[in-house]
Amino acid sequence: RKEVEQDPGPFNVPEGATVAFNCTYSNSASQSFFWYRQDCRKEPKLLMSVYSSGNEDGRFTAQLNRASQYISLLIRDSKLSDSATYLCVVLHSGGGADGLTFGKGTHLIIQP
Amino acid sequence: NAGVTQTPKFRILKIGQSMTLQCAQDMNHNYMYWYRQDPGMGLKLIYYSVGAGITDKGEVPNGYNVSRSTTEDFPLRLELAAPSQTSVYFCASSQTGTGGYYGYTFGSGTRLTVV
Repeated sequence: RKEVEQDPGPFNVPEGATVAFNCTYSNSASQSFFWYRQDCRKEPKLLMSVYSSGNEDGRFTAQLNRASQYISLLIRDSKLSDSATYLCVVLHSGGGADGLTFGKGTHLIIQP
Repeated sequence: NAGVTQTPKFRILKIGQSMTLQCAQDMNHNYMYWYRQDPGMGLKLIYYSVGAGITDKGEVPNGYNVSRSTTEDFPLRLELAAPSQTSVYFCASSQTGTGGYYGYTFGSGTRLTVV
């Protein structure tokens, strides 16, 4: 069974702090990795793809560690608006349109 | 640009009733999907379609049916609703089968309660 595991949290973090959370995946041949953001009672939205070399988008940095089979998301200078659930999404090797597995999400609460 | 539109947003069904969840996208995406999300759980794929006239089962297809007569529309049919089908249903579409650079575009969801 292809698993994607995340710490459900919640992570309670003061505004302005840096927060990081990881996601582990079980299939070593997984191809692609993504972070989605889901606000309460809303639909998921793509936050960023995770590239092998790591990538940064403003305050957000995503890293991939294939040897240990995890991806990470780092949020710097956190804002109140960053409060959301962050979903780790993994595309399995050979997976096509049915190859994505969604993690259960990590709940982040930014406190003023 | 509307993106992915789902209707209805909320619905309460009685056990044994049937209904169709509507999904339409205006991005000319070939790939469309139906997911369900239960509290505290990851999204589970119910059915997907790689183009008009082509559908396939996902991880949890039992109790559901789909059709894809046009590129734009991908309705999900629930026959004989059961309490286990109480969930939030998301329709999504994508330019490529894996989402690619732009990922999946999700509709706003349908909250279904079966009583």
